[in-house]
Amino acid sequence: RKEVEQDPGPFNVPEGATVAFNCTYSNSASQSFFWYRQDCRKEPKLLMSVYSSGNEDGRFTAQLNRASQYISLLIRDSKLSDSATYLCVVKGSSNTGKLIFGQGTTLQVKP
Amino acid sequence: NAGVTQTPKFQVLKTGQSMTLQCAQDMNHNSMYWYRQDPGMGLRLIYYSASEGTTDKGEVPNGYNVSRLNKREFSLRLESAAPSQTSVYFCASEKPPPGELFFGEGSRLTVL
Repeated sequence: RKEVEQDPGPFNVPEGATVAFNCTYSNSASQSFFWYRQDCRKEPKLLMSVYSSGNEDGRFTAQLNRASQYISLLIRDSKLSDSATYLCVVKGSSNTGKLIFGQGTTLQVKP
Repeated sequence: NAGVTQTPKFQVLKTGQSMTLQCAQDMNHNSMYWYRQDPGMGLRLIYYSASEGTTDKGEVPNGYNVSRLNKREFSLRLESAAPSQTSVYFCASEKPPPGELFFGEGSRLTVL
């Protein structure tokens, strides 16, 4: 079983839609969680960190469920510019733990 | 302000040839990473270095060696390239507190 798993999609949604992605992780001792965005095989960039209490940044909301070992990303009012691959990233059980990526979920927002 | 610099950006090798991918960061970060990305596979961790002089295997270390001789540089070596190593390679350094990775632009390697 992979350490971090995501549904690869693609998710095809119309502009203005709300879309949610989930990501599961296998190491219950994992400490830190993140969502990255990657455009067209360019380098990934940090979208947001995921905190235990959940966090929101504009149209983006991230949640963590430690009991079920998954994190989620909700995008409201989708824009064409949101089309990208969204990568779930999990850090191991210490500050020197490794950052492991999921395979990514592809989102295509259509006019 | 360069951030993370990877070289070369493109390389074509023949099976059995060797090469080294170079990576350097100017942000004084302790942790550095090498990932490879294949279509539909996301980024898979090859090797990781938590600090100068230390390295640790990731998910797919076979066929690779790394060297972290100083804080700035983390190199990845393919001793005997195989077609299965055709991929895009990304180097990254990690900004504390944990989690934010700064990536190089990637090195696109083709092994014939």
